[in-house]
Amino acid sequence: QKEVEQDPGPLSVPEGAIVSLNCTYSNSAFQYFMWYRQYSRKGPELLMYTYSSGNKEDGRFTAQVDKSSKYISLFIRDSQPSDSATYLCAMSGFRGGATNKLIFGTGTLLAVQP
Amino acid sequence: DSGVTQTPKHLITATGQRVTLRCSPRSGDLSVYWYQQSLDQGLQFLIQYYNGEERAKGNILERFSAQQFPDLHSELNLSSLELGDSALYFCASSVEQGTNEKLFFGSGTQLSVL
Repeated sequence: QKEVEQDPGPLSVPEGAIVSLNCTYSNSAFQYFMWYRQYSRKGPELLMYTYSSGNKEDGRFTAQVDKSSKYISLFIRDSQPSDSATYLCAMSGFRGGATNKLIFGTGTLLAVQP
Repeated sequence: DSGVTQTPKHLITATGQRVTLRCSPRSGDLSVYWYQQSLDQGLQFLIQYYNGEERAKGNILERFSAQQFPDLHSELNLSSLELGDSALYFCASSVEQGTNEKLFFGSGTQLSVL
């Protein structure tokens, strides 16, 4: 079993829809949770960062972490065609120190249809 | 543009060969990370350097090696290449050695081993 599980999709939604992307994980030591967006033939770019449990909102994006269920989510409101990309969750148990190993999900491919 | 530069963008080579991938981090960033991305495994952490010194190792094969030079650019050397080494190789940089959440990725090198 992988440490981080993510549905690869593809997920196709109409423009303006609310998108829900999710990851589950098995390592209870994870404390830092991130979402990266990756456009085709580009490197991942950091979208959201959350520490421990709770919600974080940034514009149309909301990240949620439920540590009791080992489940994290990214919600995209009023989705746009420009949101079409692969979304990768990532998590880590460390901040500082010598081990900076981010564990990534395999990514969910999202297509927003105009 | 993340500010991280990777060359070459594409590399086609044969089994048994050796290649070198190059990365220039963002100006001011001291940490360089190497990741491998394949369809079935997702993004896998290979190795991290901080200010010229190795800081952390992930799932890096013995056939692979890396270094970071005094000008902070980094090279990833892959030798005795196998078909399974075909993947996207990303370099990422950050200011500090412990800053997981602020990784800036380059556009990657697509390696094809034939």
